[in-house]
Amino acid sequence: EIVMTQSPATLSVSPGERATLSCRASQSVSSNLAWYQQKPGQAPRLLIYGASTRATGIPARFSGSGSGTEFTLTISSLQSEDFAVYYCQQYNNWPPDTFGQGTKLEIK
Amino acid sequence: EVQLVQSGAEVKKPGESLKISCKGSGYSFTSYWIGWVRQMPGKGLEWMGIIYPGDSDTRYSPSFQGQVTISADKSISTAYLQWSSLKASDTAMYYCARHLSPYSYGPNPYDYWGQGTLVTVSS
Repeated sequence: EIVMTQSPATLSVSPGERATLSCRASQSVSSNLAWYQQKPGQAPRLLIYGASTRATGIPARFSGSGSGTEFTLTISSLQSEDFAVYYCQQYNNWPPDTFGQGTKLEIK
Repeated sequence: EVQLVQSGAEVKKPGESLKISCKGSGYSFTSYWIGWVRQMPGKGLEWMGIIYPGDSDTRYSPSFQGQVTISADKSISTAYLQWSSLKASDTAMYYCARHLSPYSYGPNPYDYWGQGTLVTVSS
């Protein structure tokens, strides 16, 4: 089973600033990496798939990069609605898909 | 409009059985894999298993194999997650989610999610 490790566990950033979240896979997942956003009391929402493709309706301030074992989610200018928990997920070798433990993005 | 609508919250006692549901609409239910994801209180997402309603091909995470059963009834566009004997440690929110692409046995993320079903197991 592939282990996904996200860092940091918590990231404190001011509105309007850039946030950079990291995800590492224990072995190569090619570009089969997705990012999800989850707000309290809500289901996860797909942001990025294929490591860098924005899902339908996702604002351009969200971008993804990386391949193999190292991936990054960047939010270029944080809006108030972006403060949430973010999960990466590999779906290259399934079953099982595996998720990272999450990064909580909080207001500084 | 694509929707996955899950059944309501459940409160059960240890040892009881339970079957929760996920009804798909607005798309060809038989053409997309449906996965189940667990989220324990205050914790992250855990992939449990997945089913292709077209032929009921089902795969499980090793962590959940033998602990739950995933099924589907394509005549009513509904997938299920069931337990034969609940434990307190099954207390969690459970989500169903649909693969992005149809017909595919290849890599796919999840683009549509149900609203979640909260299962509470307590004596």
